[in-house]
Amino acid sequence: AQSVTQLGSHVSVSEGALVLLRCNYSSSVPPYLFWYVQYPNQGLQLLLKYTTGATLVKGINGFEAEFKKSETSFHLTKPSAHMSDAAEYFCAVTLLTGTASKLTFGTGTRLQVTL
Amino acid sequence: NAGVTQTPKFRVLKTGQSMTLLCAQDMNHEYMYWYRQDPGMGLRLIHYSVGEGTTAKGEVPDGYNVSRLKKQNFLLGLESAAPSQTSVYFCASSYPKGHTSPTNYGYTFGSGTRLTVV
Repeated sequence: AQSVTQLGSHVSVSEGALVLLRCNYSSSVPPYLFWYVQYPNQGLQLLLKYTTGATLVKGINGFEAEFKKSETSFHLTKPSAHMSDAAEYFCAVTLLTGTASKLTFGTGTRLQVTL
Repeated sequence: NAGVTQTPKFRVLKTGQSMTLLCAQDMNHEYMYWYRQDPGMGLRLIHYSVGEGTTAKGEVPDGYNVSRLKKQNFLLGLESAAPSQTSVYFCASSYPKGHTSPTNYGYTFGSGTRLTVV
């Protein structure tokens, strides 16, 4: 089975500071990894994804993540936080069974951005 | 371009009542999913479908039934609601027909249905 662990259910940063949200995965085969963002009272929106190829993946809103196989990690970063980044962030990994592609989500990290 | 539309957005049920949540997508996606979101637990897969007329159980299927009679619609039913089913329910779809692989194609989510069972 595949799973993801998000370290820290809440992260608080100052506006302009580095954002680092941690995600570690467990998989017996090379995984496909995703980061989603959820703004209050909304659905989930895809930030970025890693499938194959370049291990540094750039997404929307200035976010990026690096796939590190040796560390089984896929941490999400942004050089400078903005107030509009306050949201909940979910890391996810595919669980491929038969012909189905199913995402398994982490428990989420709520990002707070302060002045 | 509506994407994924969920109805209703809010609902309060009494224990033992039944209801159906509707998910509709207009992107010609093959795969559709129902998740529930609870505080501190992330999203957990209830049921999913890989095409019209097919359904399969996910991680937490008990107490729910689904149907996919039309490709664009995926219905989630609660036959006898329980307080433990109080949650936010999200529908998602993925994999337009003809795409190279379902695995690396991200999901499109609806905006959710907030269900309270009292």
